Amino acid sequence: DAGVTQSPTHLIKTRGQHVTLRCSPISGHKSVSWYQQVLGQGPQFIFQYYEKEERGRGNFPDRFSARQFPNYSSELNVNALLLGDSALYLCASSFVVYEQYFGPGTRLTVT
Amino acid sequence: QQQVKQSPQSLIVQKGGISIINCAYENTAFDYFPWYQQFPGKGPALLIAIRPDVSEKKEGRFTISFNKSAKQFSLHIMDSQPGDSATYFCAARSGGGSNYKLTFGKGTLLTVNP
Repeated sequence: DAGVTQSPTHLIKTRGQHVTLRCSPISGHKSVSWYQQVLGQGPQFIFQYYEKEERGRGNFPDRFSARQFPNYSSELNVNALLLGDSALYLCASSFVVYEQYFGPGTRLTVT
Repeated sequence: QQQVKQSPQSLIVQKGGISIINCAYENTAFDYFPWYQQFPGKGPALLIAIRPDVSEKKEGRFTISFNKSAKQFSLHIMDSQPGDSATYFCAARSGGGSNYKLTFGKGTLLTVNP
């Protein structure tokens, strides 16, 4: 069975640019969450979407936005990139309320 | 504010030994406590999880012990193997209904020497 897939794998952007990260959940999973993992730290919650509606938002600035599509895939958008946005961005999907399964992540480097 | 505190930061164990990682939480609204294993360059993989109405859960060589009154839980890896060398994260779920998020500890880098 295919797990959570994310694209691209790696991305290099310049400060001030915009980036879009994509996630496809496990088939049958309707909830997608986004996390940011800075090197050496645990993942930090950014957004949760369920049935195409935002259900939760972490402590991130408005430069971060996301959406979920009818096929339950999701995009995370970050505007006006800062050096501090460099991190591994993880997408997690879930079917039942408790278990979240993570994708391999997108490594974003902002220069 | 760090809501889930994890220790130790790093751990070195000999092959065949027991690895123990501890976590403590503050928010009594947390209702589900998973552990994740992460290898370099990979996403976290769900290892084992427990709900607060259970004091212990065992799956193979991995055991979670949960102390609700102390607001602490721990991961025990029995017969540790070099392939277990990875970073381990404890987490706690908050939310209700279809709204939820995981709060993670800072991670423990486990090295199992052959």
